[in-house]
Amino acid sequence: DAKTTQPNSMESNEEEPVHLPCNHSTISGTDYIHWYRQLPSQGPEYVIHGLTSNVNNRMASLAIAEDRKSSTLILHRATLRDAAVYYCILIRSGGYQKVTFGIGTKLQVIP
Amino acid sequence: NAGVTQTPKFRILKIGQSMTLQCTQDMNHNYMYWYRQDPGMGLKLIYYSVGAGITDKGEVPNGYNVSRSTTEDFPLRLELAAPSQTSVYFCASSVPGLKGETQYFGPGTRLLVL
Repeated sequence: DAKTTQPNSMESNEEEPVHLPCNHSTISGTDYIHWYRQLPSQGPEYVIHGLTSNVNNRMASLAIAEDRKSSTLILHRATLRDAAVYYCILIRSGGYQKVTFGIGTKLQVIP
Repeated sequence: NAGVTQTPKFRILKIGQSMTLQCTQDMNHNYMYWYRQDPGMGLKLIYYSVGAGITDKGEVPNGYNVSRSTTEDFPLRLELAAPSQTSVYFCASSVPGLKGETQYFGPGTRLLVL
């Protein structure tokens, strides 16, 4: 299974953009890049996913490197509510597969 | 839709006691999962199910049992509680798709075994 590598923690000032990196050098062609986040005392929630092209939704943007070996989750204006653990996960299209949630990146937002 | 619901929210068990953690989803998802999360750690898959009547082991199944008699429900059974099972348990459900599945998580059950 392809693995991902993320920094254990990051800090950001409130109302500034945040770039959360993820390395996945062994990604396969059918792996989608998914991001989840886990707010304190809650279950993980889906944030965004993509395959090759950059993606935007109301929560965040996902920038994917041209060789797909890395990606970056972008929060355009961090708020205190964005303080959470962010997980970068690879999920292959079609059929069931076991998804591995690593330790993720703990984002601290400073007022 | 309520999404994925879990009961109870919190429970204290004595060593050797048994209990069932309940999980229900109203999204008609075929796939359901049980994870545990120890403090400061990621999620570990305990059991999963790809449909009613079909279950399989995940990474850490020892000490747990599951059943899936309906699409909606996926209870997790602890037969002989041990302190090592102190954790937060999350249930999730999903539908596989061409773009990879998106999992929807419940709020979790916090279990303390003393």
